[in-house]
Amino acid sequence: AAGVIQSPRHLIKEKRETATLKCYPIPRHDTVYWYQQGPGQDPQFLISFYEKMQSDKGSIPDRFSAQQFSDYHSELNMSSLELGDSALYFCASSLEDTYSGNTIYFGEGSWLTVV
Amino acid sequence: KNQVEQSPQSLIILEGKNCTLQCNYTVSPFSNLRWYKQDTGRGPVSLTIMTFSENTKSNGRYTATLDADTKQSSLHITASQLSDSASYICVVSPEYIIQGAQKLVFGQGTRLTINP
Repeated sequence: AAGVIQSPRHLIKEKRETATLKCYPIPRHDTVYWYQQGPGQDPQFLISFYEKMQSDKGSIPDRFSAQQFSDYHSELNMSSLELGDSALYFCASSLEDTYSGNTIYFGEGSWLTVV
Repeated sequence: KNQVEQSPQSLIILEGKNCTLQCNYTVSPFSNLRWYKQDTGRGPVSLTIMTFSENTKSNGRYTATLDADTKQSSLHITASQLSDSASYICVVSPEYIIQGAQKLVFGQGTRLTINP
């Protein structure tokens, strides 16, 4: 079965550079979430989209932006990178339902290292 | 503040043995509780999901229980295998937003090591 696809898997950038992470949700899923997980920490919610519209916003820095495109894939753009941005970035997708309990599927993550 | 606390932080058991991981939460209002398995550096994989009206749910050798009154959940692993070595994360949704997205509150996870 198709899973959530993230690219690139690994990325090394220098401080003050820009990085873009891509996420391809499971086909027919209409909701995409972005999470940031620092070493030894639990994932922190950044932002989510439902039907190509931003639906919720968490602890996403102003230097970051994201969008969901017409084909439901999403991109997380990070500018003016800082050393503290080094983390594993997860994308997750789900199919919203009128009943609670929809399963959220996570991608394998994109490792960003800022040097 | 919505919180999810897991115990123990780490656990080492022998292959073939059973174990139980605990999750206490203060998230309110409560929508559902999920258990995820996360291998190091990999994406979390869903094991179970339970709404407030469900008491138990099984997925193979994994059985999750939920007591919504005491706000406690447990994940029981039966006949452990070496491949069960991973972090097990309890995740709680504080509310369900129709046509939106759920905010998930993650626990810190329990690091389980299965030794041969």
